[in-house]
Amino acid sequence: AQSVTQPDIHITVSEGASLELRCNYSYGATPYLFWYVQSPGQGLQLLLKYFSGDTLVQGIKGFEAEFKRSQSSFNLRKPSVHWSDAAEYFCVRGSTLGRLYFGRGTQLTVWP
Amino acid sequence: ETGVTQTPRHLVMGMTNKKSLKCEQHLGHNAMYWYKQSAKKPLELMFVYSLEERVENNSVPSRFSPECPNSSHLFLHLHTLQPEDSALYLCASSQGSEGGGVKLFFGSGTQLSVL
Repeated sequence: AQSVTQPDIHITVSEGASLELRCNYSYGATPYLFWYVQSPGQGLQLLLKYFSGDTLVQGIKGFEAEFKRSQSSFNLRKPSVHWSDAAEYFCVRGSTLGRLYFGRGTQLTVWP
Repeated sequence: ETGVTQTPRHLVMGMTNKKSLKCEQHLGHNAMYWYKQSAKKPLELMFVYSLEERVENNSVPSRFSPECPNSSHLFLHLHTLQPEDSALYLCASSQGSEGGGVKLFFGSGTQLSVL
């Protein structure tokens, strides 16, 4: 089965704290991996993507993610969270024809 | 603003109604998609159109009927839906659809409630 797992349904952090959202994938070959963010009324927006090469990828809004083949993980990180980062985050695996396999999402709450 | 516009934003319909969701992209893309986002379930791909030809029908019931009259417009025609079809329906577009690394641009979605 080709799946993406986000083990944390909801995470709460204080503004200014660091953030790490977990993602694990199950796929034999090197996958195409993405992180999308969904804010209320703003739809889904691509944060970053990994296809090959450097395993640490930088995205928009100060986010980064690291691909670790040995752990089948693609965790999203941000060193200092802002209140505007509160949203739902999806780890996604890409396949042909634009097929995206979404994780269930992690809802991020940011305390002031 | 992603360049993908969906209308209406909200829709309430009865099970015997016929309605249509509309999606329009202003990005010059040649592939368009319908995704379904239900509560507590991962987003699910419904349909893929590449160069106006349907290339994916992901086991979607026939009460959902897509239409892609040109590369900029995508419709989802709804007929005799069930309450479990209530969900957020997301349209997306991309330039090219081959390969797994295609970047999709999503609209804000239509929140559908079936009574």
